[in-house]
Amino acid sequence: DAGVIQSPRHEVTEMGQEVTLRCKPISGHNSLFWYRQTMMRGLELLIYFNNNVPIDDSGMPEDRFSAKMPNASFSTLKIQPSEPRDSAVYFCASSPTHYEQYFGPGTRLTVT
Amino acid sequence: AQTVTQSQPEMSVQEAETVTLSCTYDTSESNYYLFWYKQPPSRQMILVIRQEAYKQQNATENRFSVNFQKAAKSFSLKISDSQLGDTAMYFCAFIPLTGANSKLTFGKGITLSVRP
Repeated sequence: DAGVIQSPRHEVTEMGQEVTLRCKPISGHNSLFWYRQTMMRGLELLIYFNNNVPIDDSGMPEDRFSAKMPNASFSTLKIQPSEPRDSAVYFCASSPTHYEQYFGPGTRLTVT
Repeated sequence: AQTVTQSQPEMSVQEAETVTLSCTYDTSESNYYLFWYKQPPSRQMILVIRQEAYKQQNATENRFSVNFQKAAKSFSLKISDSQLGDTAMYFCAFIPLTGANSKLTFGKGITLSVRP
């Protein structure tokens, strides 16, 4: 099994630019989660999907963040416009049951 | 609300020795899962072990085992025969089995260093 796949692994961008992070969940998993990890705040759940439908986006910090899951094998997290305080590691995770979550390798985002 | 507490910020252990990482949690739920995740310098979050609250038997995965004390709300991870590759940050996590709205709550993590 390939595991959760995320791209890019690293992203460096300038403030004001649009950033799109991508995730391919493990085949057969029906829940998908986006997390953000920073030193100050630890791991934060941003949004999660069940069967491609967003269930809870209360963790999305502001309207600059949006996430989509057009099908069972692909999701995106978009930040527009990006700001330096968005710099973090962004993780995608998937689960066959919602409870046991398997994480991707993460995308390290740096906004200058 | 659920909370997960990892009070030790860091620990160090000699290679081949045994180390125990502590975790406590607080919840009013009776059905839940507990996890330990490992995050090595590569930053990948790796699921190490899972414990179902309804099971009295402690979970074991090779060199990793847990001591689950439900009444005390304690969930410690024991790593036997420590290896250099065990050097990582370890997170304790909790999720109630309350359906699609339940969320995984993480502790702040503990940094484990294995010395050669």
